[in-house]
Amino acid sequence: GAGVSQTPSNKVTEKGKYVELRCDPISGHTALYWYRQSLGQGPEFLIYFQGTGAADDSGLPNDRFFAVRPEGSVSTLKIQRTERGDSAVYLCASSLGYQETQYFGPGTRLLVL
Amino acid sequence: DAKTTQPPSMDCAEGRAANLPCNHSTISGNEYVYWYRQIHSQGPQYIIHGLKNNETNEMASLIITEDRKSSTLILPHATLRDTAVYYCIVTQKLVFGQGTRLTINP
Repeated sequence: GAGVSQTPSNKVTEKGKYVELRCDPISGHTALYWYRQSLGQGPEFLIYFQGTGAADDSGLPNDRFFAVRPEGSVSTLKIQRTERGDSAVYLCASSLGYQETQYFGPGTRLLVL
Repeated sequence: DAKTTQPPSMDCAEGRAANLPCNHSTISGNEYVYWYRQIHSQGPQYIIHGLKNNETNEMASLIITEDRKSSTLILPHATLRDTAVYYCIVTQKLVFGQGTRLTINP
């Protein structure tokens, strides 16, 4: 079956702009996770959804970052007033349930100029 | 705070067994140990997981110590395609750390 997909694969934007990153999880997976990965570092947890609700958003760095999952499937990570420091690979993963095996998408490479 | 400790890098000869250690001394009784790997420019890939018993699948074996404070991932016959960064994580906190960069040498 299809794995986790993320769009766009690459995004270049200018400082101060708004961006949306999309994640399509594996069908039937109730848990969805967003991570951010900077060059040379491991993935850094941002937020975790169980169904439609954000069960843990403790990793979101500040209020410029927001994520939604309105129908319990597709999720969108939204970044307002982007800064150069937001440049990173944003990874999405899904699992059947919390603490079960996570399957990762290929990531979206965000570059803020 | 990272809940696991791994060596930053390791080398292994092609065809030999690669043994990657991980310390997780603060693991709780109901937390699983998961191993993922990440090949350059790709998303992390699941390898194996376990709670307290040793586990084996088509990719690797996982040996967990009796006190569960450490584990070892074993790639029995490493190939060049196993060159990657390997992450050991303890669930609930989903903290990846920096992993071990494994290089398989021909």
